[in-house]
Amino acid sequence: AQSVTQLGSHVSVSEGALVLLRCNYSSSVPPYLFWYVQYPNQGLQLLLKYTSAATLVKGINGFEAEFKKSETSFHLTKPSAHMSDAAEYFCAVTSTNTGNQFYFGTGTSLTVIP
Amino acid sequence: NAGVTQTPKFRILKIGQSMTLQCAQDMNHNYMYWYRQDPGMGLKLIYYSVGAGITDKGEVPNGYNVSRSTTEDFPLRLELAAPSQTSVYFCASSGRARDEQFFGPGTRLTVL
Repeated sequence: AQSVTQLGSHVSVSEGALVLLRCNYSSSVPPYLFWYVQYPNQGLQLLLKYTSAATLVKGINGFEAEFKKSETSFHLTKPSAHMSDAAEYFCAVTSTNTGNQFYFGTGTSLTVIP
Repeated sequence: NAGVTQTPKFRILKIGQSMTLQCAQDMNHNYMYWYRQDPGMGLKLIYYSVGAGITDKGEVPNGYNVSRSTTEDFPLRLELAAPSQTSVYFCASSGRARDEQFFGPGTRLTVL
């Protein structure tokens, strides 16, 4: 079975501080992992994805994530938070044995304090 | 290129009423998905389709039906609306299995 756990439903950081959003996955086969961002009253947009190539993945808006198989983690980071980063962030997992289904985490709401 | 479009944006239904949520994409994607999003629960897959004429159940299909007669359209039908179906519904599409999904803007549905 596939699942994703996002630790911390709410994260607050000061503008200019490091952003760290946590995602741990469960998968019996090599996973495909995604981070999506959702701004208020909008659909989800892809930030970045891991598909078994490089373990450090760079995405849009300065975000990156590192796939760590030993820790079953795919944490999202950004060195310096900007006010425009305030949004809801979702981690998702799929694999070759999920029947085309994606499994999303419950989301982390990021607040950036000026 | 409009991407994924959804109509309506908002709707209020009475218990027992029926409605169809429309979803269309112009990217010639084979894969299409319907999710519902509830506060604190993330997204749950309702139904998905891997091509015209092919649909399959997701995690939470009860109370919903879908059809896929064309590549472009993937409507979601609620036959007997219940308060538990109050949610935000998102349609998504992708070009290949396990690839990036493109999301529509959502439909906010309230059942009273």
